[in-house]
Amino acid sequence: RKEVEQDPGPFNVPEGATVAFNCTYSNSASQSFFWYRQDCRKEPKLLMSVYSSGNEDGRFTAQLNRASQYISLLIRDSKLSDSATYLCVVKSRGNQFYFGTGTSLTVIP
Amino acid sequence: GAVVSQHPSRVICKSGTSVKIECRSLDFQATTMFWYRQFPKQSLMLMATSNEGSKATYEQGVEKDKFLINHASLTLSTLTVTSAHPEDSSFYICSASQGAQDYGYTFGSGTRLTVV
Repeated sequence: RKEVEQDPGPFNVPEGATVAFNCTYSNSASQSFFWYRQDCRKEPKLLMSVYSSGNEDGRFTAQLNRASQYISLLIRDSKLSDSATYLCVVKSRGNQFYFGTGTSLTVIP
Repeated sequence: GAVVSQHPSRVICKSGTSVKIECRSLDFQATTMFWYRQFPKQSLMLMATSNEGSKATYEQGVEKDKFLINHASLTLSTLTVTSAHPEDSSFYICSASQGAQDYGYTFGSGTRLTVV
């Protein structure tokens, strides 16, 4: 079983739509959780950390459900510039990072 | 914020030659750096963990004699692809962590290697 699993998509949504991605992780002892964004042919960049209480940054909301071992990312009022691949990343107790395969999002005019 | 510099960004080499890629943490010390490879439309795959002052730890299936890693200082790790072949053509990315739990990763800008 993979450490981190994501639906690869693709998700094709119209501008202004709300879209949500989920990611599950297998190690219940995982300590830290992140969402990264990767544009085509570029390196991944940290979008936001995910906290147990949930956190919001503008149009982006991240949530963590430790009981069910999943994290989610919600994007409201999608913009064309949101088109990218979104990577779920989980950090274990041993400082090892595990990446999901990424979810591809295309926002359509 | 933390910056990781990776060089070169793009390299084309002939089959059989070796290529060295550098990864530097510019404003923090990184005792551990990570090397990834990404093929088109695939996810990042961890190749090895580079530890300052000691041998790198390679993931299963990654040939340590082909992908030489040197982490001689707290701010520099190098990956050398030896005797490169066309199937080694890929996007190689390094990253480093500042260590604190919530800092996550900072990635270098990646190196696109094409072996002809």
